Amino acid sequence: QKEVEQDPGPLSVPEGAIVSLNCTYSNSAFQYFMWYRQYSRKGPELLMYTYSSGNKEDGRFTAQVDKSSKYISLFIRDSQPSDSATYLCAMTLQGAQKLVFGQGTRLTINP
Amino acid sequence: NAGVTQTPKFQVLKTGQSMTLQCAQDMNHEYMSWYRQDPGMGLRLIHYSVGAGITDQGEVPNGYNVSRSTTEDFPLRLLSAAPSQTSVYFCASSYTDFRDETQYFGPGTRLLVL
Repeated sequence: QKEVEQDPGPLSVPEGAIVSLNCTYSNSAFQYFMWYRQYSRKGPELLMYTYSSGNKEDGRFTAQVDKSSKYISLFIRDSQPSDSATYLCAMTLQGAQKLVFGQGTRLTINP
Repeated sequence: NAGVTQTPKFQVLKTGQSMTLQCAQDMNHEYMSWYRQDPGMGLRLIHYSVGAGITDQGEVPNGYNVSRSTTEDFPLRLLSAAPSQTSVYFCASSYTDFRDETQYFGPGTRLLVL
């Protein structure tokens, strides 16, 4: 079993929809949780970063962490065609720096 | 700042050939790492370094060598390429003292081994 599981999709939604992306993990020692966005043929770029249970909001993006359920989510409100990309969840132990990634979810927002 | 740079962008090798993937960063980051990305597998850590002269293995180190002689550079060597090493390779860097937990990724090197 992988340490981090993420539905690879693909996921296709209409413009303006609310998108929910999810990851589950098995290692309860993970403390830092990230979401990366990766456009086609580009490197991943950090979108959201959190280290505690609860919600963190940044514009149209909300990251949610539930450590008791070992479950993290990324919500995108008012989705735009420019949000079309692969979204990767990643997590790490405190001070470890070594990221463990999910498989990535390929998202397409249709105009 | 150029950030994290990688060369070449694309390379075709024959089985058994050797090559070095270059990675450089100009942010004075202590931590550097190499990942490979394969369809349906996400990114997997190959090797990492927490500073000049210090390297360690990640999840999938077999077939790859690294060294870190300077803070800026972290090359990845394939000694005898195999078709299973066909992948997209990403280099990343970050601080190690919690000033900034962000890992910055390079644009990637696409490698095809025939």
